[in-house]
Amino acid sequence: GAVVSQHPSWVICKSGTSVKIECRSLDFQATTMFWYRQFPKQSLMLMATSNEGSKATYEQGVEKDKFLINHASLTLSTLTVTSAHPEDSSFYICSASAGRQPQHFGDGTRLSIL
Amino acid sequence: QKEVEQDPGPLSVPEGAIVSLNCTYSNSAFQYFMWYRQYSRKGPELLMYTYSSGNKEDGRFTAQVDKSSKYISLFIRDSQPSDSATYLCATSSYAGNNRKLIWGLGTSLAVNP
Repeated sequence: GAVVSQHPSWVICKSGTSVKIECRSLDFQATTMFWYRQFPKQSLMLMATSNEGSKATYEQGVEKDKFLINHASLTLSTLTVTSAHPEDSSFYICSASAGRQPQHFGDGTRLSIL
Repeated sequence: QKEVEQDPGPLSVPEGAIVSLNCTYSNSAFQYFMWYRQYSRKGPELLMYTYSSGNKEDGRFTAQVDKSSKYISLFIRDSQPSDSATYLCATSSYAGNNRKLIWGLGTSLAVNP
């Protein structure tokens, strides 16, 4: 149980392109989804928290116009990196939770901007 | 001082060894404690989830929480090469929605056959 699917797993695109990453909870309804960014050999850095049907809450220093988050249903959240540049290259990971349950993570998306 | 301290290692052990992974935390309000395992280029996988002090066992894994000393541990018995990964401890002060996890840096473990 508690499976979270993230797609795509790897994307390479040109600078200036917008990239959308999907996060789905497959076997439970996720009241809250989280988006993280992870640099090599570092821990996870929380970017934003989103509740279904509400605007996402962004962490300090994260540009909400750069990283658009949509959480339209209890099983799907999307992160769009708008006008991506090489400095946006990173490993992006989503997680989902329901009620008082711990967070379950997707397998991450490796984003490479050329 | 970071809210959660974790020795990044690397830790290298022979197959079959008992592994002890540890974290300390500074905020006495933390009540929920988790251990995640992360393989290279994958998302973290939840191993153990505990609330308050005490032990919790699941197969070869035992999580231990000592709130009096603000110390959490994960023990792996009969370690296998497939246990080679980074182990992340995490904690939070409450279990409701929008709870933010406070993470350790992760300990890199290598189990050698």
